[in-house]
Amino acid sequence: GIQVEQSPPDLILQEGANSTLRCNFSDSVNNLQWFHQNPWGQLINLFYIPSGTKQNGRLSATTVATERYSLLYISSSQTTDSGVYFCASGRGETSGSRLTFGEGTQLTVNP
Amino acid sequence: GAGVSQSPSNKVTEKGKDVELRCDPISGHTALYWYRQSLGQGLEFLIYFQGNSAPDKSGLPSDRFSAERTGGSVSTLTIQRTQQEDSAVYLCASSLDLGVEAFFGQGTRLTVV
Repeated sequence: GIQVEQSPPDLILQEGANSTLRCNFSDSVNNLQWFHQNPWGQLINLFYIPSGTKQNGRLSATTVATERYSLLYISSSQTTDSGVYFCASGRGETSGSRLTFGEGTQLTVNP
Repeated sequence: GAGVSQSPSNKVTEKGKDVELRCDPISGHTALYWYRQSLGQGLEFLIYFQGNSAPDKSGLPSDRFSAERTGGSVSTLTIQRTQQEDSAVYLCASSLDLGVEAFFGQGTRLTVV
């Protein structure tokens, strides 16, 4: 199956700093999602981005499918950005439709 | 509904008892997935359903786990003879079709004592 690796595993920032989270995946995929898990455990959809670049406010993401990686950018971080960020990918075929999750990046933003 | 709804939010059960967890997917979504997240662990795939096709049960950890989806909508995950290692957050997700953007519910936190 697909292997998904995220880096860094932990990240501590001061409020206002920028950061880049990385997700590498082992095979070609046609489904790539970024999630933020809030302190209550809910997985919040950030981006559905099997390829290309998207932006939503202070967050943006880029997936380079041919090189098997995706990046999540957080600019002007806020304390509410704290939590675990997960990358998940899948191939979208019957046998590969499950999402495989990385281990996550634990982000802490200090005031 | 507007989002994926799971019930109960929390469940404490005694070892050896059976439990049922419920998932109500987003209306119109044909694909439904179950995952679990153990304390400090990643998200582990359990099973998915797509329309009337046979479910992919390859992630179920033992034969004590089963799931069904009635009428192509609501799904129930059943754990028989619960063990302490079953303690985890069980997450349900749905998507419009297989392999497209999935949306997760808030999860059911299961504690086996």
